[in-house]
Amino acid sequence: EVQLVESGGGLVQPGGSLRLSCVAAGFTFSSYWMHWVRQAPGKGLEWVSRVNSDGSRTTYADSVKGRFTISRDNAKNTLDLQMNSVRAEDTAVYYCATSGNSYFDLWGRGTLVTVSS
Amino acid sequence: EIVLTQSPATLSLSPGERATLSCRASQSVSSFLAWYQQKPGQAPRLLIYDASKRATGIPARFSGSGSGTDFTLTISSLEPEDFAVYYCQQRSSWWTFGQGTKVEIK
Repeated sequence: EVQLVESGGGLVQPGGSLRLSCVAAGFTFSSYWMHWVRQAPGKGLEWVSRVNSDGSRTTYADSVKGRFTISRDNAKNTLDLQMNSVRAEDTAVYYCATSGNSYFDLWGRGTLVTVSS
Repeated sequence: EIVLTQSPATLSLSPGERATLSCRASQSVSSFLAWYQQKPGQAPRLLIYDASKRATGIPARFSGSGSGTDFTLTISSLEPEDFAVYYCQQRSSWWTFGQGTKVEIK
């Protein structure tokens, strides 16, 4: 079955760190760019970061630049997001997604990150 | 950053009616625009890409049009499962989303 499954969410204090993971199955993971997209509670969607197919190029939204790091392991079919210096406004459901046709055509179910003291 | 503005914020319609959703870009995105549907507790689902192409498995009642800065998603006859929030998204310059239009049952 073609799927993405996120994990690693939870409660973290402001200024703390958290590492999210996404495991891919059912498709050739190494062929696709991968992204993280987030959604604050009751709000819209915000693109966070992307990594190209071999992991050599990354891009970040201004809101997370310098604090978050995206990476991938094509041997393990995994995508990670290292979140450092988190803020209350980082509270959201984080989705991993592929962009096979340059749009987000496969999504995981998401993992909730709550930043609170 | 390209800003996408969706209207209306909420659309109240009955099953069987036609829904017309609008998305306006702050600058031209050519045809690099997609539409997504999101139901409560679920991830978004790609409906339309490149402004007018239906994604795999999407019913023909969903159609998209437009280019440049003005785009429309039309649902020709609303089915009960179509009541949801719809987002537009551009890929012309990185990736940004509109704020969403909620299609609710009247």
